[in-house]
Amino acid sequence: GENVEQHPSTLSVQEGDSAVIKCTYSDSASNYFPWYKQELGKRPQLIIDIRSNVGEKKDQRIAVTLNKTAKHFSLHITETQPEDSAVYFCAAVSSGSARQLTFGSGTQLTVLP
Amino acid sequence: GAVVSQHPSRVICKSGTSVKIECRSLDFQATTMFWYRQFPKQSLMLMATSNEGSKATYEQGVEKDKFLINHASLTLSTLTVTSAHPEDSSFYICSVLGADTQYFGPGTRLTVL
Repeated sequence: GENVEQHPSTLSVQEGDSAVIKCTYSDSASNYFPWYKQELGKRPQLIIDIRSNVGEKKDQRIAVTLNKTAKHFSLHITETQPEDSAVYFCAAVSSGSARQLTFGSGTQLTVLP
Repeated sequence: GAVVSQHPSRVICKSGTSVKIECRSLDFQATTMFWYRQFPKQSLMLMATSNEGSKATYEQGVEKDKFLINHASLTLSTLTVTSAHPEDSSFYICSVLGADTQYFGPGTRLTVL
């Protein structure tokens, strides 16, 4: 099955700086890569996603890049704000897995004011 | 995206009792739903895939006789934790498989005393 590794586990940045979270996956059949933001005690919220036929996608301050050859994808947050503080999870969906999500271990992002 | 609700949001029970958690898809006919468990400061772990009108598919290590799943309609899946023990205390989250991605419920915090 799919295995997703995520780094770093914790990340602290100053407000206004950029944050980068990286994930690798093992199943070359995976073709969909969503990123979720989860605040304490709340449900995961989809913030951006990318499909395997695209190398990069951007939505305002958030961008995701995908390198299929190396099997890794990254989340980039620019101009960070204190409200960006949360746990971020990457995930991968394999085309042959009934659309099951395999999550990374999560990154606790803290944006310091 | 789909709107998903869960009930109850919090439940405290005594060891040995059974607890039922409901997951409802409010505006989408959900053939497939997923159940996850999340321990503190950990990632979401898939427990089972719930398919309307058929038996659920359980992940390795998840006891199907302990975690009973029923998906009798396109809008409702239930998870029953039977003979709950303190180690079952966790955050249980369901999701609905939409056209492109999964939509998560708000979660149920289970505490077993």
